[in-house]
Amino acid sequence: NAGVMQNPRHLVRRRGQEARLRCSPMKGHSHVYWYRQLPEEGLKFMVYLQKENIIDESGMPKERFSAEFPKEGPSILRIQQVVRGDSAAYFCASSPRAREDEQYFGPGTRLTVT
Amino acid sequence: AQKITQTQPGMFVQEKEAVTLDCTYDTSDQSYGLFWYKQPSSGEMIFLIYQGSYDEQNATEGRYSLNFQKARKSANLVISASQLGDSAMYFCAMSRVGGYNKLIFGAGTRLAVHP
Repeated sequence: NAGVMQNPRHLVRRRGQEARLRCSPMKGHSHVYWYRQLPEEGLKFMVYLQKENIIDESGMPKERFSAEFPKEGPSILRIQQVVRGDSAAYFCASSPRAREDEQYFGPGTRLTVT
Repeated sequence: AQKITQTQPGMFVQEKEAVTLDCTYDTSDQSYGLFWYKQPSSGEMIFLIYQGSYDEQNATEGRYSLNFQKARKSANLVISASQLGDSAMYFCAMSRVGGYNKLIFGAGTRLAVHP
């Protein structure tokens, strides 16, 4: 059973461009979480999605950031008009159900904004 | 609101010795879960151990054990017989039991294992 997959692993964008980060959860997992890790900090929750639904987006910046988890295909975290402060590692995690003791992380996408 | 505090930015330990990484938490929830993750220099997040707030026994996973003191709201990670490969960042996190698995992370502790 393949683990959580994220691509790309590294992404470089110029200020003002768009960044699209993809997350393929483990097989059979319908719950996806996105976290952001700024340099030298812990992970911060951004958004929680179930298939086709955003359940909790309390950690998402109000502007430029959006997330989706369509019926078919990976979950996408989209950052429009990136700024230098968006440079961070973005982690996706998945779980088979909304249980508190199971969450599997992907390897992360390192976004660098130049 | 939930909060995790890790007061040790950096720790070092001699190979083969035990080390304790501190974690205190704050929550008004009656039921919650506590996690420890390891992040090596390669960057991935590796799950180490989980403790539920109603678990009567401290969790153990191989060389990892969680020293859970509910009254003191602490969930320290103990690594026995340290190995060079244990050098990494370690994060403590918590979630609500009964809800979805939104994790709140501490700032982390960087552990260096010396030969």
